[in-house]
Amino acid sequence: AQSVTQPDIHITVSEGASLELRCNYSYGATPYLFWYVQSPGQGLQLLLKYFSGDTLVQGIKGFEAEFKRSQSSFNLRKPSVHWSDAAEYFCAVEDTGGFKTIFGAGTRLFVKA
Amino acid sequence: EAGVAQSPRYKIIEKRQSVAFWCNPISGHATLYWYQQILGQGPKLLIQFQNNGVVDDSQLPKDRFSAERLKGVDSTLKIQPAKLEDSAVYLCASSLGDRSYNEQFFGPGTRLTVL
Repeated sequence: AQSVTQPDIHITVSEGASLELRCNYSYGATPYLFWYVQSPGQGLQLLLKYFSGDTLVQGIKGFEAEFKRSQSSFNLRKPSVHWSDAAEYFCAVEDTGGFKTIFGAGTRLFVKA
Repeated sequence: EAGVAQSPRYKIIEKRQSVAFWCNPISGHATLYWYQQILGQGPKLLIQFQNNGVVDDSQLPKDRFSAERLKGVDSTLKIQPAKLEDSAVYLCASSLGDRSYNEQFFGPGTRLTVL
């Protein structure tokens, strides 16, 4: 079965600093990959998704992610973090058959002034 | 455009009691999902509906959980009887289609505490 690993439970960055959240997946073929953000007390919101083509994907709120097949990774990046980016971030992968999405355990981002 | 609505937002019950959650998806969305999110974990799919038919309920504990989507619009998820390990946030989501490349839109969730 497909799986997603987010190695970092939580990360703290200073406001204005760059951010990279790690995600590794297991999948036999080229997967559909997603990043979602969950702000406190709110549901998940899709940041970006990768299906095929250009391996660098642009998303909302200034986020981007890069698909690296050789490393089975799909890391999320942002060049300059804002205090409002403090939230939990989930990486997800399509399950075999293409109907179900498998979520990682999440990485909680703290932003310090 | 109105988002996915869920109620109640919070519920506290004692073990062995029953509880029900309600979800109203975005208008026109054929696919509806119920997820369970235990503290410190990512959402886990419990059941997925396409219109009023079930696409996937492989991870739904059917001895205690049930869900229905009458008329292919809103949905209810029921737990009877509840156990301590059912304490979690229950998220409802909807999408236009049932394939994973369709963006899922999530509601705010219902936080259930079982004492």
